[in-house]
Amino acid sequence: AQTVTQSQPEMSVQEAETVTLSCTYDTSESDYYLFWYKQPPSRQMILVIRQEAYKQQNATENRFSVNFQKAAKSFSLKISDSQLGDAAMYFCAYRPLEIQGAQKLVFGQGTRLTINP
Amino acid sequence: DTGVSQNPRHKITKRGQNVTFRCDPISEHNRLYWYRQTLGQGPEFLTYFQNEAQLEKSRLLSDRFSAERPKGSFSTLEIQRTEQGDSAMYLCASSSDTVYEQYFGPGTRLTVT
Repeated sequence: AQTVTQSQPEMSVQEAETVTLSCTYDTSESDYYLFWYKQPPSRQMILVIRQEAYKQQNATENRFSVNFQKAAKSFSLKISDSQLGDAAMYFCAYRPLEIQGAQKLVFGQGTRLTINP
Repeated sequence: DTGVSQNPRHKITKRGQNVTFRCDPISEHNRLYWYRQTLGQGPEFLTYFQNEAQLEKSRLLSDRFSAERPKGSFSTLEIQRTEQGDSAMYLCASSSDTVYEQYFGPGTRLTVT
């Protein structure tokens, strides 16, 4: 079974600085999807960024970028120029391909990110 | 596009009572998922529908839990004879055959007293 591990329960960063959230996963599959979701306090979960395992290029969305190391099964999220609105729980998630059956997301335990003004 | 909606947003019930939650997915999405999230943890998969067919159920979904999606649109999740361990946030998400991102609703927070 696939597992996702986020080893940092909490992180904090000064506003305007850069922070990196870590995620490792375990799978025997060679193709899959990886995601970072953000869950602000008392608000719904939203997708931050996604990565297809077959793509070597790291995904980037504005201030958010990933460092995808397939061999190491590592998928970290870098947030540049941190803003107060970035404060939230961040979840790393894994999803198999269609042909592998289940469409479920497998989530890590989450990292609570605090932005210090 | 009004997003995924869930009702009620909060539910407090006494142990042993039955509760039912509703999820309305994004209108053009044929796939619907239920997850459960306990405090401080990531969501855990419960069940998945493609159109009206329930294609997968987690072992977390005990016999007291049942989910339906009768017309392939909205879905309901019922918990019978609730227990204190059922207290959690129940999340619904939807996606389509062409868009693999899952879009989440705001969740229903269940408290069993």
